[in-house]
Amino acid sequence: GESVGLHLPTLSVQEGDNSIINCAYSNSASDYFIWYKQESGKGPQFIIDIRSNMDKRQGQRVTVLLNKTVKHLSLQIAATQPGDSAVYFCAETENSGNTPLVFGKGTRLSVIA
Amino acid sequence: DAGVTQSPTHLIKTRGQQVTLRCSPKSGHDTVSWYQQALGQGPQFIFQYYEEEERQRGNFPDRFSGHQFPNYSSELNVNALLLGDSALYLCASSLEETEAFFGQGTRLTVV
Repeated sequence: GESVGLHLPTLSVQEGDNSIINCAYSNSASDYFIWYKQESGKGPQFIIDIRSNMDKRQGQRVTVLLNKTVKHLSLQIAATQPGDSAVYFCAETENSGNTPLVFGKGTRLSVIA
Repeated sequence: DAGVTQSPTHLIKTRGQQVTLRCSPKSGHDTVSWYQQALGQGPQFIFQYYEEEERQRGNFPDRFSGHQFPNYSSELNVNALLLGDSALYLCASSLEETEAFFGQGTRLTVV
């Protein structure tokens, strides 16, 4: 069935380096994508989103890139900090707010001080 | 402004029992969705409530049911609990065309 998946289950980066987390999706009808950060014992926290009519969107220290041709999504974190250590999920949906989010398994980001 | 709040935070139940989990959405949000997150997995959609009715449902058995109240708060009920129902249950609230905000979740352990 349709699914969202991640290429790398774990990622270790040195503090101060940039992190890139990748995600592949398979539902060509998806038009809204979100990255969530989940710390241990907490619910997913919204990081950044992007709609299918965009290729790139920037936030504070984070950038999301969307390549609809190959159905690929990435999250870039600049100057990674220890507080960025968490599990990151990408999620897709066909219509924000109304349709279910489809999540992948997640990538665990570990920041080495 | 309180975000999405869920209760209880932790719960231990015995196989065969029934459980009710509660969720209060973020102020102004009218749509509540429930997700099940097994250990090491991403959240899986259970169902969504809007205007006190179930609007959409994921691939979960009828043992999972819910309710939404006039104040938009919601309950998730699970009957005849199985060991495999042990998971983190997440509530998310949203408003038309806005992103979903998640609560901290309820950790359910079935023994």
